[in-house]
Amino acid sequence: NAGVTQTPKFRVLKTGQSMTLLCAQDMNHEYMYWYRQDPGMGLRLIHYSVGEGTTAKGEVPDGYNVSRLKKQNFLLGLESAAPSQTSVYFCASSYVRSSIQYFGAGTRLSVL
Amino acid sequence: AQKVTQAQTEISVVEKEDVTLDCVYETRDTTYYLFWYKQPPSGELVFLIRRNSFDEQNEISGRYSWNFQKSTSSFNFTITASQVVDSAVYFCALPGNTPLVFGKGTRLSVIA
Repeated sequence: NAGVTQTPKFRVLKTGQSMTLLCAQDMNHEYMYWYRQDPGMGLRLIHYSVGEGTTAKGEVPDGYNVSRLKKQNFLLGLESAAPSQTSVYFCASSYVRSSIQYFGAGTRLSVL
Repeated sequence: AQKVTQAQTEISVVEKEDVTLDCVYETRDTTYYLFWYKQPPSGELVFLIRRNSFDEQNEISGRYSWNFQKSTSSFNFTITASQVVDSAVYFCALPGNTPLVFGKGTRLSVIA
């Protein structure tokens, strides 16, 4: 029972470098989400998707891009990393908007 | 816009004490769902409960109970006879303009 799997678990980048975080879910969920968690800020939604081929902006989308080419995968890209993007990133998925969201284990990203 | 307020940033209790975590929300929706999630020190996010606004009955699950009061827009979480394993950050959330709006969380420390 994999659920929601995020790769990588840890990453260190230099300012200006790019990277892609991968999220995969095996529950056939329509909705997928990317959040970032910073100390004292709770979880903030970056982007989300309501189905294959769709994406939408969340609360803090600037500096990030996403793609949902396959239903089971949701990719989060940083084109030019900045120190302000140092955070823990969580992916989640759910059947519909109001149903339970299941989270991945998180990716800890440091941008130097 | 929807908003979730968890006024208690940190709470510390001695093992076996009861503790209540407060959650106050704002929404213009007539029907909605409320959620609680737990984030233990290991970092993953664990779903605890989802409550429909139609159902105002209190819910009990073992040592956990939830008190939903529509009149005061509150959805409080009580842990009875707390244990060290209850130490975690607890988040309250509800769907809003973005799929899920999280409070900033309450860090609970249970001391042996």
